[in-house]
Amino acid sequence: AQSVTQLDSQVPVFEEAPVELRCNYSSSVSVYLFWYVQYPNQGLQLLLKYLSGSTLVKGINGFEAEFNKSQTSFHLRKPSVHISDTAEYFCAVSKASYDKVIFGPGTSLSVIP
Amino acid sequence: DTAVSQTPKYLVTQMGNDKSIKCEQNLGHDTMYWYKQDSKKFLKIMFSYNNKELIINETVPNRFSPKSPDKAHLNLHINSLELGDSAVYFCASSQEGRPFTDTQYFGPGTRLTVL
Repeated sequence: AQSVTQLDSQVPVFEEAPVELRCNYSSSVSVYLFWYVQYPNQGLQLLLKYLSGSTLVKGINGFEAEFNKSQTSFHLRKPSVHISDTAEYFCAVSKASYDKVIFGPGTSLSVIP
Repeated sequence: DTAVSQTPKYLVTQMGNDKSIKCEQNLGHDTMYWYKQDSKKFLKIMFSYNNKELIINETVPNRFSPKSPDKAHLNLHINSLELGDSAVYFCASSQEGRPFTDTQYFGPGTRLTVL
């Protein structure tokens, strides 16, 4: 069965420091990968997604992620975080034979002033 | 203009009651979803409709019944509420009937508390 692992449940980071949020998935076939962000008391919104092509995907708010097939990873990065990036970040995976997206357990990013 | 809206935002009720949550999207999307987010933030799909037709029905108790009167609306009715139903319920929509690649647009959530 498809699964998504986000190894870090909480990541504290100082403002203007870089951050990497890790995501690994289990699948032996081609997958589609997503990162969604959930700001406090709001619904989720898409940061970026990988469907095909370049393995480096750029998203909104200065985030980017790199698809690494050999390591089955899709880590999210930002070179310099802001207070406003404090939120819950969800990695998600799907595949063409699936009719749904599977979400990881989420990583809570706290940006410290 | 709110793209995906849900009502109510908060719902507090007693065990055994029946309640409904409404969802509307004004994006012209064909597909709508219901998700449940538990207290640990784990997000799980419950149902999906495409043009008013049910396409995903996860292993959800049959006390939960979605209804789609038209493709802009997907309501969730819950019978005989139980303590374990307490969660945040999110409605979402996407443009086409390809959940595996579509971007999903989420509503603000409905926090259900069962006492």
